[in-house]
Amino acid sequence: AQSVTQPDIHITVSEGASLELRCNYSYGATPYLFWYVQSPGQGLQLLLKYFSGDTLVQGIKGFEAEFKRSQSSFNLRKPSVHWSDAAEYFCAVGTPGSARQLTFGSGTQLTVLP
Amino acid sequence: EAGVTQSPTHLIKTRGQQATLRCSPISGHTSVYWYQQALGLGLQFLLWYDEGEERNRGNFPPRFSGRQFPNYSSELNVNALELEDSALYLCASDGSGNTIYFGEGSWLTVV
Repeated sequence: AQSVTQPDIHITVSEGASLELRCNYSYGATPYLFWYVQSPGQGLQLLLKYFSGDTLVQGIKGFEAEFKRSQSSFNLRKPSVHWSDAAEYFCAVGTPGSARQLTFGSGTQLTVLP
Repeated sequence: EAGVTQSPTHLIKTRGQQATLRCSPISGHTSVYWYQQALGLGLQFLLWYDEGEERNRGNFPPRFSGRQFPNYSSELNVNALELEDSALYLCASDGSGNTIYFGEGSWLTVV
């Protein structure tokens, strides 16, 4: 079975600073990889996804993520954080055949300082 | 285009009662997925419905059940409510390209 680890429970950055949220997965082959964002009291919004091909994927709101097979990682990045990016971020893994039955990481709470 | 809609937004029930949550998928989507987000347990896959049939379920007891209607909307029923069932229940529907899109969720509080 697949698993996802988000090693950082909470990250604080200053507005305008760069951001990297870590995600490591465990799966025997190349999984389907997703990043979702959840604002307080809200549902999940899809930021970006990776299925195959170019390992650097662009998402909404200026986010990007890079798939590194050798490290089993799919880290999320943003060059300059805005105060509105404060939220909880979830990395998720799906597998071919059950891509929509996602396994989620425990989430990383992002705080943005003015 | 309307997204996934869920109702009610909040629901308070007493232990032992039954709760019913509802979900309407994005127009054109035929599959519905239910996830539970409980404090301390994270997001967990609950149920998958497609074309009116239950296709798969996560590691939840049988008192978690549901159905999908001919218009592809779905309801989730939780019987014999326990305090630990208090959670945000998220519904998602199936987009193209192996991607699911979530609704805003229904908060269930069991007292």
